[in-house]
Amino acid sequence: KAGVTQTPRYLIKTRGQQVTLSCSPISGHRSVSWYQQTPGQGLQFLFEYFSETQRNKGNFPGRFSGRQFSNSRSEMNVSTLELGDSALYLCASSPTGLLVTIDEQFFGPGTRLTVL
Amino acid sequence: EDKVVQSPLSLVVHEGDTVTLNCSYEVTNFRSLLWYKQEKKAPTFLFMLTSSGIEKKSGRLSSILDKKELFSILNITATQTGDSAVYLCAAPAYSGAGSYQLTFGKGTKLSVIP
Repeated sequence: KAGVTQTPRYLIKTRGQQVTLSCSPISGHRSVSWYQQTPGQGLQFLFEYFSETQRNKGNFPGRFSGRQFSNSRSEMNVSTLELGDSALYLCASSPTGLLVTIDEQFFGPGTRLTVL
Repeated sequence: EDKVVQSPLSLVVHEGDTVTLNCSYEVTNFRSLLWYKQEKKAPTFLFMLTSSGIEKKSGRLSSILDKKELFSILNITATQTGDSAVYLCAAPAYSGAGSYQLTFGKGTKLSVIP
């Protein structure tokens, strides 16, 4: 069974630009969560999508948005990039995202975004 | 505000040593606590603890939860260089609409030197 895949793996952008990251969950998984990981703040929850609907959102500004497609693939977009957006962006998939399967949340390898 | 705090933030030990990593939490509607290992990129799941005092073991790794004192420990015995990683502790908090949001600690970076 293929794992969670994320593209691209590395990305360099300049301030003010926008970026779109992609995540393909494990086949059959319908919940996709996104996290931002930085040395200072650690892993922080961005949002979760389930069946094409955003079900949950963390404390991030509106510049961070996402969506999920009918095949459960998800994208996240960051507009008007700031230097502080430099981070590792991880996505994780699980069958339902409910507590009974929370331990089955599988992480992708991440996208390393550098904003210059 | 939900909070998960890990200590120490970093640790350097020699192969063969035993280490104890700590995690304290304050989470709304606490249900469980999870441990992950992150070597290079993707965190990988280690344990989920839901009951107090019950030890979970996997080889040289073990973990226990104290729901009264709101903390958990992760023990690694006879450490090996392959144990070098960041160990993350997380707790799901119910956020409505039938879903949970994981709150992570900042991690403990373990370095095992030969």
